[in-house]
Amino acid sequence: DAKTTQPNSMESNEEEPVHLPCNHSTISGTDYIHWYRQLPSQGPEYVIHGLTSNVNNRMASLAIAEDRKSSTLILHRATLRDAAVYYCIRAQKLVFGQGTRLTINP
Amino acid sequence: DAGVIQSPRHEVTEMGQEVTLRCKPISGHDYLFWYRQTMMRGLELLIYFNNNVPIDDSGMPEDRFSAKMPNASFSTLKIQPSEPRDSAVYFCASKLGTGGYQPQHFGDGTRLSIL
Repeated sequence: DAKTTQPNSMESNEEEPVHLPCNHSTISGTDYIHWYRQLPSQGPEYVIHGLTSNVNNRMASLAIAEDRKSSTLILHRATLRDAAVYYCIRAQKLVFGQGTRLTINP
Repeated sequence: DAGVIQSPRHEVTEMGQEVTLRCKPISGHDYLFWYRQTMMRGLELLIYFNNNVPIDDSGMPEDRFSAKMPNASFSTLKIQPSEPRDSAVYFCASKLGTGGYQPQHFGDGTRLSIL
């Protein structure tokens, strides 16, 4: 199955960390995991990607399980501007699914 | 640095009319993707091109839909004849190279309403 599995929605408070999970149990060894987010009335925006090792950039961190069957996007200090739909996809399959709608409470 | 440019941003037309959506990818990018987004089905890949050649059109819903890429800086998605169920937001994205680490860059989309 090309799809990844994510919770439909999550909620967090401003300035707290957020952990967004994603299951990709059928992923191949050479397939990258990409995360995108989509703000209202905009196209998806690239957030981060990884293959095996954990990754950090200015937007977020990505933790990849040792067996690569799951990963977690980490927003270290959520802001109101992080409220969006977050998508986890397999780069070789390009199947976006419904993503996780993240709500941030002030 | 210009991103992916789509036009028009909004299109409202009557059932049966021909609709043409346009996309200008980021200069130098050799992959171009067309997606459709609806509440029911989410974001679906319709077709993608590599070096102006269609590679996979298995997501194109039916023969009423066609896509072309006459050169590296321009692509069109055409619906003829249009139907109300085609109402959706259509996104174009481009990417550089074949590496799985290369991200896609999306445009802001065309919101299409078929009356």
